[in-house]
Amino acid sequence: DARVTQTPRHKVTEMGQEVTMRCQPILGHNTVFWYRQTMMQGLELLAYFRNRAPLDDSGMPKDRFSAEMPDATLATLKIQPSEPRDSAVYFCASGLARGTEAFFGQGTRLTVV
Amino acid sequence: GENVEQHPSTLSVQEGDSAVIKCTYSDSASNYFPWYKQELGKGPQLIIDIRSNVGEKKDQRIAVTLNKTAKHFSLHITETQPEDSAVYFCAAPSSGSARQLTFGSGTQLTVLP
Repeated sequence: DARVTQTPRHKVTEMGQEVTMRCQPILGHNTVFWYRQTMMQGLELLAYFRNRAPLDDSGMPKDRFSAEMPDATLATLKIQPSEPRDSAVYFCASGLARGTEAFFGQGTRLTVV
Repeated sequence: GENVEQHPSTLSVQEGDSAVIKCTYSDSASNYFPWYKQELGKGPQLIIDIRSNVGEKKDQRIAVTLNKTAKHFSLHITETQPEDSAVYFCAAPSSGSARQLTFGSGTQLTVLP
């Protein structure tokens, strides 16, 4: 059963700490998306990778957020330093460049206190 | 970029009745319109999608209609069941080659037993 795997599922951290969220895309998928979900803003695209190269990260606060794909099986989203306003559920999704369907992971619920 | 508006934000129906959720989009070049269902504590899951070369698509109790002239598409759920209760999102791709999705604000559907 192919699925997108995200770790951790939950993270509580103190303001100012570094947070790293990880995503394992579905094997064979070459596009990876990071979304943030909040009550106020809904689902917002933060970053988008194709074949491990970042294509669009315009939705991501550059001063504290960074997204990388060290290899085809791992995508990371880092926040340093974290702030209370970063509290949200962060979703990773993967797909095929030739297709349009995006498969979502279960998300990481981040709480910054 | 794409702008997707979704209505209503909440919808309550009696079990067995039909539910309709509507979305409008702004980019006339958009050609793919998926609908996602998100259950509590889970990531969005694709339930049905439609491409611009057809006006309607049906899969058992769910159907999607598309009016390209008016730039709106709708999700129809017939014979609703309590397990249909969830948040539903429509989406449309951003223009250009990136294919990232812009999501609507979501509809909380509650099916009352």
